[in-house]
Amino acid sequence: EDKVVQSPLSLVVHEGDTVTLNCSYEVTNFRSLLWYKQEKKAPTFLFMLTSSGIEKKSGRLSSILDKKELFSILNITATQTGDSAVYLCAVEAESGGSNYKLTFGKGTLLTVNP
Amino acid sequence: DVKVTQSSRYLVKRTGEKVFLECVQDMDHENMFWYRQDPGLGLRLIYFSYDVKMKEKGDIPEGYSVSREKKERFSLILESASTNQTSMYLCASSLGQGYRSPLHFGNGTRLTVT
Repeated sequence: EDKVVQSPLSLVVHEGDTVTLNCSYEVTNFRSLLWYKQEKKAPTFLFMLTSSGIEKKSGRLSSILDKKELFSILNITATQTGDSAVYLCAVEAESGGSNYKLTFGKGTLLTVNP
Repeated sequence: DVKVTQSSRYLVKRTGEKVFLECVQDMDHENMFWYRQDPGLGLRLIYFSYDVKMKEKGDIPEGYSVSREKKERFSLILESASTNQTSMYLCASSLGQGYRSPLHFGNGTRLTVT
């Protein structure tokens, strides 16, 4: 059974801190790893990672994948209160034929206090 | 920008009622998905569809059915609602198959079954 584990489950920091969120996985026929941010409503897409060692960056957020050790990290520098959200990690794997399956972790709840 | 619209933001139904949750996407996406999200359990896939009139069971299909008569619309049906189906329901869509296509989520329907 495919498994995606995120840590920590929750985190409280002060504005300006740097945080690192972790996502480890065990899947068969890995294709990609995705990060989403969920505030009060719909999860919104952040990054898709398919290759090891290549950092994806968007403003203060960055992410990298290690396919040998089967994990990814999401870094947020100089955190702001608007970064408070649940961060979801999902791993896509082939599930037979041309189909694929997406398995989500349980998420990390990040709270950034002013 | 892709828009995924769920017809209701909040819904309260009685045990035994038949419940319809509607989802419409406006970007001609082939794939549509229904998830439920519960604290401590994360997102779990109920049903998905890769094409019109086509459906596949996800991880937790029991007690649910779906309908996809048109490409843009994917309906989730609770044949006889039960209290353990109280949850946040998220619809999502994606273009094509494979890892080049992240999910786009609707804002969710919070269903309470009393």
